[in-house]
Amino acid sequence: SAVISQKPSRDICQRGTSLTIQCQVDSQVTMMFWYRQQPGQSLTLIATANQGSEATYESGFVIDKFPISRPNLTFSTLTVSNMSPEDSSIYLCSVAPGLAGYEQYFGPGTRLTVT
Amino acid sequence: GENVEQHPSTLSVQEGDSAVIKCTYSDSASNYFPWYKQELGKRPQLIIDIRSNVGEKKDQRIAVTLNKTAKHFSLHITETQPEDSAVYFCAASNGNNRLAFGKGNQVVVIP
Repeated sequence: SAVISQKPSRDICQRGTSLTIQCQVDSQVTMMFWYRQQPGQSLTLIATANQGSEATYESGFVIDKFPISRPNLTFSTLTVSNMSPEDSSIYLCSVAPGLAGYEQYFGPGTRLTVT
Repeated sequence: GENVEQHPSTLSVQEGDSAVIKCTYSDSASNYFPWYKQELGKRPQLIIDIRSNVGEKKDQRIAVTLNKTAKHFSLHITETQPEDSAVYFCAASNGNNRLAFGKGNQVVVIP
């Protein structure tokens, strides 16, 4: 199965600043996604990262707050902009390597703390 | 959008017994139902999944059953072991590859 890495693994940031999280896969994948998991909570889909076009955002998430790039089939970034303590969470990328795009596999996550 | 609910929120079982977690979903168009296991501090791990054209799927000690009429699916773990202790998430997708997750079940296996 695909090997997925994320950078950074964790960070502590000041409010008002921005952080860019990277997701790298060791093989080309059809689809990539970004999720948020708040402490002790479930996973919430932020957006689908589309290769070569703008990401598709879920209700409650906007591009200005969470800009996403996907320049190729193995890499994506998520930026958390103008952070507040409410953005403290684990951010995970996932990939769906199959042609049908069903099975999703998660990266190790980035633990973000905003002070 | 899709709404997925899981019951119970916490489940304690004696080692060797079986554990069953049930999820219900709201969108009758959903056709893909994965289960993820998440150990503390680790990423969610896909452990088994089922598609709507199948009623049951097994993989060693775990199995998933699907009842499309009632819109629910269940995870069955037999002969539970301490390493089965984790949070289990169910999810549903209506074919657009976007997963809606349940809130998760904490399973505790008591040695």
